[in-house]
Amino acid sequence: NAGVTQTPKFRVLKTGQSMTLLCAQDMNHEYMYWYRQDPGMGLRLIHYSVGEGTTAKGEVPDGYNVSRLKKQNFLLGLESAAPSQTSVYFCATTAGEETQYFGPGTRLLVL
Amino acid sequence: GDSVTQMEGPVTLSEEACLTINCTYTATGYPSLFWYVQYPGEGLQLLLKATKADDKGSNKGFEATYRKETTSFHLEKGSVQVSDSAVYFCALSDGGATNKLIFGTGTLLAVQP
Repeated sequence: NAGVTQTPKFRVLKTGQSMTLLCAQDMNHEYMYWYRQDPGMGLRLIHYSVGEGTTAKGEVPDGYNVSRLKKQNFLLGLESAAPSQTSVYFCATTAGEETQYFGPGTRLLVL
Repeated sequence: GDSVTQMEGPVTLSEEACLTINCTYTATGYPSLFWYVQYPGEGLQLLLKATKADDKGSNKGFEATYRKETTSFHLEKGSVQVSDSAVYFCALSDGGATNKLIFGTGTLLAVQP
């Protein structure tokens, strides 16, 4: 089993460009989350999903959109990237027992 | 709202030294508490957890006890190794329907041979 995978691993964008980050899980988990990690700030929740077809805002949702069309995939979109969105993005999943399982992360640099 | 505060790093220790990383929390309910570890270049992975007061979580020689009276969940290890060098995150879950976690800012541990 691959667990939680994230695509791409690293990306450089110019301000104003758009992109989509993909999180895929093969654990049949209902819950999925997108976090961003910034120095000195820990992990902050961007958006999350409690099941296929559902999404909700987290702590820092501005500038991001998400979709959960299939249970195994959770997409994070940046419509118009800004330098403030330079970060490391982590996806996580859980079956609902509180322990979350994390992907390896995507490093995004916005110039 | 709920929050987690953990000691700032970096923490630099020599191999075989004792480790304590402090973590305190603020929560309105009865949260579960977690320590996650992030090795260089990797995602986070669960190190240990405790779901109720006085529970002790343990794994790989690390321990933490859920202290409701002091709202703390300090991470301890009696003898650290170079391979323990990582960033350690304290987190809480309120156990609600969304299973969201709230993380502390992380503490970098560097163990020198």
